[in-house]
Amino acid sequence: QVQLVESGGGVVQPGRSLRLSCAASGFTFSSYGMHWVRQAPGKGLEWVAVMSYDGSNKYYADSVKGRFTISRDNSKNTLYLQMNSLRAEDTAVYYCAKMAYYYDSSGYSGMDVWGQGTTVTVSS
Amino acid sequence: QTVVTQEPSFSVSPGGTVTLTCGLSSGSVSTSYYPSWNQQTPGQAPRTLIYSTNTRSSGVPDRFSGSILGNKAALTITGAQADDESDYYCVLYMGSGISVFGGGTKLSVL
Repeated sequence: QVQLVESGGGVVQPGRSLRLSCAASGFTFSSYGMHWVRQAPGKGLEWVAVMSYDGSNKYYADSVKGRFTISRDNSKNTLYLQMNSLRAEDTAVYYCAKMAYYYDSSGYSGMDVWGQGTTVTVSS
Repeated sequence: QTVVTQEPSFSVSPGGTVTLTCGLSSGSVSTSYYPSWNQQTPGQAPRTLIYSTNTRSSGVPDRFSGSILGNKAALTITGAQADDESDYYCVLYMGSGISVFGGGTKLSVL
């Protein structure tokens, strides 16, 4: 079955970096774009970034643009989120999610499968 | 900046029907926004119910349906059950690779 497993979360000081991973299985990873979505404690969902199936297109929310980088390794069926210059407001559970349509290059099809999330806490 | 709007809370009786909506602070929602609906219970990861306006995700019962009603996207739940009590988030595709979530609707079944 389709499965997404995030890892790499933890406690980090403001200004430092962290890299999240999302291991995919049960589907042809190289045919699907992927999203990162986060949820701050007690708050709603916030879209963070998206990458196309082949890595050629990537887009970011204004709140993370210039600090976060989304990438993927299709040979390892893994999606990444490199987070630099972390701030307290980046504290959240981070989810990866698979696009609903294959070969969707921009993320218009939304999400259809989610991982269980990994927690990032930015605190001194 | 356009905001995606949802009712903060809603209640439905067991067995009843409820329609949650997803709008824009400026303008109308159409199928071109590819509205999706996601369900989340406390402490759990989200689960996609509907994508691309009205396509049910795998395993989602047909009690859940999506549509465009007037100038908003809508999620209708028929025959509401106790375990439908959750937070429901819509997400719209705004173009140029950008997606935006609504603030969510807390649904009570009572």
